[in-house]
Amino acid sequence: EVQLEESGGTVVRPGGSLRLSCAASGFTFDDYGMSWVRQAPGKGLEWVSGINGKGGNTAYADSVKGRFTISRDNAKNSLYLQMNSLRAEDAASYHCARDCGGGCDAFDIWGQGTMVTVSS
Amino acid sequence: QSALTQPASVSGSPGQSITISCTGTSSDVGKYNLVSWYQQLPGKAPRLMIYEATQRPSGASSRFSGFKVGNTASLTISGLQADDEADYHCCSYAGGSTYVFGTGTKVTVL
Repeated sequence: EVQLEESGGTVVRPGGSLRLSCAASGFTFDDYGMSWVRQAPGKGLEWVSGINGKGGNTAYADSVKGRFTISRDNAKNSLYLQMNSLRAEDAASYHCARDCGGGCDAFDIWGQGTMVTVSS
Repeated sequence: QSALTQPASVSGSPGQSITISCTGTSSDVGKYNLVSWYQQLPGKAPRLMIYEATQRPSGASSRFSGFKVGNTASLTISGLQADDEADYHCCSYAGGSTYVFGTGTKVTVL
């Protein structure tokens, strides 16, 4: 079964750091680009960051550029998001999502999300 | 990277058709034919319903169809059913390997 499972969400103070992980299973991980998408409580989805299959190309939303770093370890079938200088507005459920590839430019597999709370 | 504009809510009776709009700019929706739509049931992860503006992935119901003209994409749900009640989100490729989502629409089945 194709599956994504996020972990690492917790309560963190403003200005703090956190690393999220996403474990992939059921597909050839390095064949696919991956993204992080977040959703604040009661709000819409916001694309945060993406990375290509080999890890050589990354992209970020303006709201997180310079603070967040996406990476992947294809040997471990894992995706990561290093979040630094966290702000109250970063509080959200963070989902990892698979880019469906082949020019599809959409997200066909999603994890359930991991919650990040930013509070003093 | 401003969010695409969707109506906050749309409602319809069982069996009716409803359409949800998604308005962007000439830098995203208008420039690329790469609009996708997602259904999100309460407490669940989003599910891909439409990609490349009009294409349905395998497993998605044929009652869902997509269309795009200029800077506006739309999702139509035909033969509305009770289990269509959910939040719906549009998304567009925005260049430079980035994406932008819409503000989200809550669909209510009356």
